[in-house]
Amino acid sequence: SAVISQKPSRDICQRGTSLTIQCQVDSQVTMMFWYRQQPGQSLTLIATANQGSEATYESGFVIDKFPISRPNLTFSTLTVSNMSPEDSSIYLCSVEDLQGWGDTQYFGPGTRLTVL
Amino acid sequence: GENVEQHPSTLSVQEGDSAVIKCTYSDSASNYFPWYKQELGKRPQLIIDIRSNVGEKKDQRIAVTLNKTAKHFSLHITETQPEDSAVYFCAAKKGNKLVFGAGTILRVKS
Repeated sequence: SAVISQKPSRDICQRGTSLTIQCQVDSQVTMMFWYRQQPGQSLTLIATANQGSEATYESGFVIDKFPISRPNLTFSTLTVSNMSPEDSSIYLCSVEDLQGWGDTQYFGPGTRLTVL
Repeated sequence: GENVEQHPSTLSVQEGDSAVIKCTYSDSASNYFPWYKQELGKRPQLIIDIRSNVGEKKDQRIAVTLNKTAKHFSLHITETQPEDSAVYFCAAKKGNKLVFGAGTILRVKS
C-alpha cells in the first residue's frame, strides 16, 4: 500500500470562495482519484486525476467547478470553486498502483469542508 | 454504467453473532469487488476483496462470497465484536472505476 496525506484536514469557508485540497503519496502511483462523501452518504467519484493531462470527470462534475491538477506521480490537487453550502462534504483522494498492488484503491484521510 | 445496491442499510446484532451484508451489481464486466469499513470520522479502510475468478475468500472472521451468474456478493462477519461497529461499503470495479454501494451501518451490541 502507500502512505497518503491530505491538506487541509478540515476547513470552514465562506460561500463564493474557493479551496484547494492537496493529496500527497509517499510513492509513485499509477492512478489518483478524487471522491466526494456528503454527510451520511456513500462515496461518489468526482474525477480521475491524469498525470500531464486533463482530468477525466464523471457525470455531474465539471472542470470549472472542480479543477484538478496532477503534476507528477505522487501529488494531486482538487479545487472546489465558487463554493456554496451544498459543497459541504468530505473530499477524499484515493490511489491505485496497477504495477504495484494491483486493483486495490487506498484512501487518504479526507478533507472535511464546511461552507457557510 | 454500473449500479451497486447494498442491503440492509442498518444491521444490529448481538456480540458473538454473525452479520451478513449483501450487494448486487448490474454490469457483468465488473471484475473486482472490495469491501471497505469506515469508522466515524475516519477514512474508508479495505477489509477484504475478491476478484471475479474466485467464488469465496476468507480472512479470519471475515469472508466474502461472489456469485457471478446472479451478480451478487456478500460480506460475512462471524463472532462479531463491538469494534466491528462501523459503516461498511461494498464496491464493484469496471476498468479503473469503483462504484460504491450506499453503505450499511453495523451496530454490535454487547
